[in-house]
Amino acid sequence: ETGVTQTPRHLVMGMTNKKSLKCEQHLGHNAMYWYKQSAKKPLELMFVYNFKEQTENNSVPSRFSPECPNSSHLFLHLHTLQPEDSALYLCASSQEPGNYGYTFGSGTRLTVV
Amino acid sequence: DAKTTQPPSMDCAEGRAANLPCNHSTISGNEYVYWYRQIHSQGPQYIIHGLKNNETNEMASLIITEDRKSSTLILPHATLRDTAVYYCIVSGGDYKLSFGAGTTVTVRA
Repeated sequence: ETGVTQTPRHLVMGMTNKKSLKCEQHLGHNAMYWYKQSAKKPLELMFVYNFKEQTENNSVPSRFSPECPNSSHLFLHLHTLQPEDSALYLCASSQEPGNYGYTFGSGTRLTVV
Repeated sequence: DAKTTQPPSMDCAEGRAANLPCNHSTISGNEYVYWYRQIHSQGPQYIIHGLKNNETNEMASLIITEDRKSSTLILPHATLRDTAVYYCIVSGGDYKLSFGAGTTVTVRA
């Protein structure tokens, strides 16, 4: 347990479904991040939140919609995904922007069928 | 464009030191060197970071050359549980960690 909890651990969804991934940290961190890791590819930064405000959207398609209601929680809402969106989605947090002691969760393994 | 270059894979013997090289010839003055590792199907784990001085913690040591164009991560006594992908990352100030392909380290008994 790293202090960053992601749920669910595994998710299978159809292309017409709507689902949400949840990330929670109680480390007192103020910055939270979503990363995507596709098979045999490096991790890709998707979104950055700093004190609940989105500060980075790395050209992510609109079928991925993040939400950060407070500094401890981060969601990734999914709708009308494609099979190529199947990947490991990782959440991370850090104490402040520029502090690189990122703590990652264990990820959600998403399969789109 | 990649900021770091790492060998794709390396083997090491259990109980021996593992020395993982990383080249970052275009590193700028305010950029740090970070090391993370990812054990299969888990999230990356922070190991260590440094600016220009050598660093040591309970997990590893980081040796940065004087010109800062390369560094070496040292796992002093590798165990089977150290088998993972190790990422060397150069970054500074913009709170973005960009992961490359890393080095797949296999520790053999």
